[in-house]
Amino acid sequence: NAGVTQTPKFQVLKTGQSMTLQCAQDMNHEYMSWYRQDPGMGLRLIHYSVGAGITDQGEVPNGYNVSRSTTEDFPLRLLSAAPSQTSVYFCASTQGNTGELFFGEGSRLTVL
Amino acid sequence: GDSVTQMEGPVTLSEEAFLTINCTYTATGYPSLFWYVQYPGEGLQLLLKATKADDKGSNKGFEATYRKETTSFHLEKGSVQVSDSAVYFCALSRSGNNRLAFGKGNQVVVIP
Repeated sequence: NAGVTQTPKFQVLKTGQSMTLQCAQDMNHEYMSWYRQDPGMGLRLIHYSVGAGITDQGEVPNGYNVSRSTTEDFPLRLLSAAPSQTSVYFCASTQGNTGELFFGEGSRLTVL
Repeated sequence: GDSVTQMEGPVTLSEEAFLTINCTYTATGYPSLFWYVQYPGEGLQLLLKATKADDKGSNKGFEATYRKETTSFHLEKGSVQVSDSAVYFCALSRSGNNRLAFGKGNQVVVIP
């Protein structure tokens, strides 16, 4: 059972480049979300989805887009990367409304 | 809005010492409370949770009690091991959703 899989694990971008962080889960979870983790700031919610075709903004959505065409996948897109988006990104999923999130191993992004 | 405050700074202690990490929260209503742990190079994983006042969550020797009167959810372990070295995050969610608000996290280092 793979759980939540994120790719890539590491990425370096130049300012203005675009990229997509992939997230896939094999647990048939309806709820999926993206967080960013910055030193001294904990985790902050970027976007979330309660099911296929439904997405909504979290605490820090600016500069990021998401879509949810299938239950399994929830990609996070950076359209024009900025140095302020240098961070570690975590995808998480769960079923129901328990708050018990299952996290991927993270994707470390550096924007130069 | 809802928020979680964790004590400042890393925690360094010797093996078999007693560990306490303080967590207080601000929220309307009756949130659920969580402790998540992040081992080096990994994503977060749920350590324990409590969903109503006076509930005690416990797992792997760790305990935390939901104290509504002091709006606190302090994490404790009686005798830590080197393998407990990790970052610990306190979090809350309003009942009925998975949009967790995380504290800043505390690095715990256990020295043999």
